[in-house]
This record gives sequence, C-alpha cells and structure tokens, in this order.
Amino acid sequence: DAGITQSPRHKVTETGTPVTLRCHQTENHRYMYWYRQDPGHGLRLIHYSYGVKDTDKGEVSDGYSVSRSKTEDFLLTLESATSSQTSVYFCAISEMVGAGQETQYFGPGTRLLVL
Amino acid sequence: AQSVTQLDSHVSVSEGTPVLLRCNYSSSYSPSLFWYVQHPNKGLQLLLKYTSAATLVKGINGFEAEFKKSETSFHLTKPSAHMSDAAEYFCVVSSRGGNTGKLIFGQGTTLQVKP
Repeated sequence: DAGITQSPRHKVTETGTPVTLRCHQTENHRYMYWYRQDPGHGLRLIHYSYGVKDTDKGEVSDGYSVSRSKTEDFLLTLESATSSQTSVYFCAISEMVGAGQETQYFGPGTRLLVL
Repeated sequence: AQSVTQLDSHVSVSEGTPVLLRCNYSSSYSPSLFWYVQHPNKGLQLLLKYTSAATLVKGINGFEAEFKKSETSFHLTKPSAHMSDAAEYFCVVSSRGGNTGKLIFGQGTTLQVKP
C-alpha cells in the first residue's frame, strides 16, 4: 500500500465551525489531490497540488482551501463548515503526470459529518 | 472534454459465475483508463490501467479489461466471481489538460456476489 495517512479518520462538527483535514505521505510524490465522495457522484476533485506552495482548484472547490508547506503534507480546510460538506474525503498522490503516468494512489478517507 | 459512463449502477452475480462491469468513455485523444475498487468503508485500490500499450490489460485478483477504441469501451471482466469481489468499482479516465493528472470518475458500479 502507498504510504498515505489521513487524519482524523472520523469527525463530527457543527455548522459554521472551521475544520482542517490532513493528508500525509511518505512516498515523496510531487502531486497530491483532495477528493470528496458522495452517493451517485463518484469522486470529485476539490483541490490539487503540483508542488510545495503550488496548488490549484478542482471542480468543486467552493468553500474549501488548501495548503502545502511541505512535500509530505497537504491540508484541506473548510473555513466555515456547512451541512452540504458532509461527505467522505479522500487524499490521493501521484508521482508524475503525463502520458501513462497519472496513476493515483488513495488514502483511507476521512468521514466528516456537519450537523 | 473527457467523460466516463458506467452503464450499470448495480450488478449481481452468483459466486463462480463471470463478472462483466461496463464502461464507456469519451475523450478527444488516446486516453489513459483505470479501474479502481472500493471495499466497504475502505479507500480506493487500483485494479488495472490502460496506457496505450496492450489493449487487453490484466489486473490484480484475476480481473482484466479490454480497451476497444472503435466502441469507446473499457469493460472490466473476471471469469469467476468470488465473495470477496463484492465492492464498488469505478471506471476512470485521465484528463490531460494543464499537466495536472486530473482523473474523471464514473459514478460507480456496485457488485453484489451471491453465494
């Protein structure tokens, strides 16, 4: 298994509170991604990073921010959590991108419930 | 733009019988295609990938998939289902824009295996 951990694994929070999810990798891969998984939608990309301090938005980035100060850590922050952000969040890593090299490896996920 | 459609949201087979999970894709260039599996309350595991080499791709746990450009399909098969194959399966296509390695996920197919 790829060396990816996510913390916390489960979290319950209240609407309006800030929440930070952490993804940590031991593979020294350049690319890191945050996805959310909701029934009927598969996985949707929230934000991604292509290097330290280099990040960009995915298709569902509203209400989320990210930071990457070290190669091994990629943080996802919900500035003010809403019930629509109740979901399972997955982190993924990739060593390279380009033809035939986009394989992403996924962490175990974080279940977030916003009440 | 790239997209992927999984033609069945739910497939049920008996243990020992063949498995067929159907996937069609849309891409303006020769894509990279993947199948991932997700067991209940687990992260995603890569089953196999197609990256413009052999059109018949063999993966883990006896699964294989065939890339058919003329049919824009990448169906997943297994000759004999095992109870441990019960899971959700995602067909995924890569998005090449901007060298980001973005993945586009299908909505998933739940495989049920009956004794």
